[in-house]
Amino acid sequence: DIQMTQSPSSLSASVGDRVTITCRASHRIVNYLNWYQQKPGKAPELLIYSASRLQSGVPSRFSGSGLGTDFTLTISSLQPEDFATYYCHQSYSSPRTFGQGTKVE
Amino acid sequence: QVQLVQSGPEVKKPGASVRVSCEISGYTFSNYGLNWVRQAPGQGLEWMGWISPYNGDTEYAQSFQGRVTLTTDTSTSTLYLDLRRLKPDDTAVYFCARSRGRDHSFDIWGQGTLVTVS
Repeated sequence: DIQMTQSPSSLSASVGDRVTITCRASHRIVNYLNWYQQKPGKAPELLIYSASRLQSGVPSRFSGSGLGTDFTLTISSLQPEDFATYYCHQSYSSPRTFGQGTKVE
Repeated sequence: QVQLVQSGPEVKKPGASVRVSCEISGYTFSNYGLNWVRQAPGQGLEWMGWISPYNGDTEYAQSFQGRVTLTTDTSTSTLYLDLRRLKPDDTAVYFCARSRGRDHSFDIWGQGTLVTVS
């Protein structure tokens, strides 16, 4: 199985801050890396797919980068609605594993 | 619009079985794979399995092998999750999610169904 390791597990930030979350895969996954945002009591929502492609309707302050094993999600200027938990997810092979999550507080 | 609407909360005793459904609308049912993902209270996301509504092919996470079955009913565009021999650790919110095309990202999710085993 491919293990996905996110860091940090939580972070404290303020509105307007630039936020970066990293995700490392235990094996190469090309660009089959996706990012989701989840708010309490809600289903996750797709933000970024194929490592760097912005899902339709997602604000452009969200961006993704990386290839192979190391990936990054960046929020260029944190907005009040961005306080949530973020998960990376590899869709390269089965089982389709998730990172443990990063809570942005 | 595309929607995945799940069945309501369930309370089960240990050792019992549960069926959770996910009704799809807004797109051609057979065109996309479907997944189940669960989330225990206060925990992260755990992928359980995938099914192709087109041909019934399935993949399951090893940790659920033998206890889980994914099926679809193309006449009603409904996805089902059957989980057997329930344990208190199976208490979680269960989500259905659509796999999109070549990148296999999960682009549309159901609202979640709470299953409590107690």
